[in-house]
Order: sequence, then C-alpha cells, then structure tokens
Amino acid sequence: QQQVKQSPQSLIVQKGGISIINCAYENTAFDYFPWYQQFPGKGPALLIAIRPDVSEKKEGRFTISFNKSAKQFSLHIMDSQPGDSATYFCAASATGSARQLTFGSGTQLTVLP
Amino acid sequence: ETGVTQTPRHLVMGMTNKKSLKCEQHLGHNAMYWYKQSAKKPLELMFVYNFKEQTENNSVPSRFSPECPNSSHLFLHLHTLQPEDSALYLCASSQDGQGGETQYFGPGTRLLVL
Repeated sequence: QQQVKQSPQSLIVQKGGISIINCAYENTAFDYFPWYQQFPGKGPALLIAIRPDVSEKKEGRFTISFNKSAKQFSLHIMDSQPGDSATYFCAASATGSARQLTFGSGTQLTVLP
Repeated sequence: ETGVTQTPRHLVMGMTNKKSLKCEQHLGHNAMYWYKQSAKKPLELMFVYNFKEQTENNSVPSRFSPECPNSSHLFLHLHTLQPEDSALYLCASSQDGQGGETQYFGPGTRLLVL
C-alpha cells in the first residue's frame, strides 16, 4: 500500500517534444506529490509538487496532472530540451508522516538534440 | 558551503572494514535523513532524525549505525558490510512542519563493498 509505481523506466524524446511520466499510488492518505529531478553525480532536487486540491499545476515547461479518483499523477515536460535529460522520480507523502516520502523507481529521460 | 554536503563522495571498502559517511546541512533545518539508492529501484529511506532524535528506522541492518550529534550533522557508521550494500547513499534535510516539506538532498556517497 505504500508503493508508488512509476512508468516508463526509460524514455527517449526528440528535442521539442513532450515527455510524459506517469505514477500511480494506492494509499489514499497521501496528500503531497512532489517530483524530483536527478542529474548524474548529483542528489535529487525538487522540481515541482502538487496537493490533491488541484488537478493541475504548471511551472514553466513542467506540468503535473493529478487524478484523485484514479490515484494517478503525471509529469509533462513541454518543449523538451537536451538539458532536461536526467532521472525523474515521483514521490508521495501523507500529512503527519511527511518525513516519509515514498518514491517511485525513477524514469531515465533522454532528450535527443 | 551551501545546501547539503556529503563526504566522502566515493568510498571503496572491504567487508571487514569500518568507515563512516558524513553529512552536513547549512540550511538551518531540523530534520535529516539517510537514503539508499540502488540502480532501477526506488530510493529507500533508512533513518530519520528530527531535532537530533531518531524517529524512524526502516528495518535497516545493524551493520549500519547512524549518529546525529546536532541538527546540522549526520553520520552513517558502516561495519562488516556486504557486497549488496554497494549503492549511492544520500543524505537529505528538511524543515519540520505539518507536511509537504521539501527535502534537500546532498550529492551522495558512492559506496563499493568488495
């Protein structure tokens, strides 16, 4: 019940294309859904996060779409750039146990020039 | 130094060695974490410290021993490790709150156990 399932494991997109990464969860107590971006040799860094009171959040080229009834959320990267090539992790946590982020297994994104 | 720093960045050790990983956060946070990152697997939370007190220990083998002398420093003492313990060990920190705090990660220590 604590799992967050992420897909795909790897993704190759042409420059300018749209990258879409999906996550699904089971625990209905989760109420905070961040996405982290990790470059080689670096630790993960928060990219964007959403709470279930909204269905979409956009920051620049990055958008989270959230479907509470389906218990799914996704990251969309518009106009993907080679500099976006990294590993992306979705995560989830519940208020009261916020120190426990449950992470997905990661998606390695490659954006071809 | 800013953010979260970790030393060493790379470590090779034998199964009989004893070594320690160090983490320091310069963000004024009061919660610190150790994670294990293995290839193609989710980040595994190992330990959580809040105000220097350990609040979580996710069934981590006793060959891993954490220490948090103050809210800025976190150590992971290693002894008699196994080859399957080879991984990237990440430290993170956050400001305690009601939920949804951003965790800030260090660059990690790449550990190889021979």
